[in-house]
Amino acid sequence: AQTVTQSQPEMSVQEAETVTLSCTYDTSESDYYLFWYKQPPSRQMILVIRQEAYKQQNATENRFSVNFQKAAKSFSLKISDSQLGDAAMYFCAYMVPTSGTYKYIFGTGTRLKVLA
Amino acid sequence: DTAVSQTPKYLVTQMGNDKSIKCEQNLGHDTMYWYKQDSKKFLKIMFSYNNKELIINETVPNRFSPKSPDKAHLNLHINSLELGDSAVYFCASRPGYGSYEQFFGPGTRLTVL
Repeated sequence: AQTVTQSQPEMSVQEAETVTLSCTYDTSESDYYLFWYKQPPSRQMILVIRQEAYKQQNATENRFSVNFQKAAKSFSLKISDSQLGDAAMYFCAYMVPTSGTYKYIFGTGTRLKVLA
Repeated sequence: DTAVSQTPKYLVTQMGNDKSIKCEQNLGHDTMYWYKQDSKKFLKIMFSYNNKELIINETVPNRFSPKSPDKAHLNLHINSLELGDSAVYFCASRPGYGSYEQFFGPGTRLTVL
């Protein structure tokens, strides 16, 4: 079964500090894509970062970076210099080919609180 | 300039009623999706359409019927609403082969009383 596990329901970080959100997934596919989405209270889903499984280099977007460990099926998100605006639900997602298209499988989410 | 729009944003209705949620994307994407986010924030795919053709149906009750009049629109009709249908419903779109990012609409919060 294809599953995505986020073992931390909630995390807190002090403003300007660094926090890491964990994600593991289960798949038998060799070609897939991984994403982190942010959902603030406005409930809009915002793409934070993505990683292609065939790329060994970890993706980076400004203060956001991932630690992608393909053999361990792990895809953690590091947020550096945390800001109040980073407070949100964060969802890890795994995209897999199916029925001639692609579908996302989401984790259960981690609520991130940023403390001033 | 909204990329993926949904109407309405909020919907409150009684059990047993029939309701529809509309989704439109102006990105020229080929593929559209419906997701359900429950009260615990869990997001699960319901349907996917590619160029007006149903591709994915994730064992959703047949009270839910998606309709795609053209590739820019994917509507969701729900018959005989139940309390358990209360959730946020998200529409999303994706360009097509070779592109893997999905663009989400703002969501529709459905409350069934």
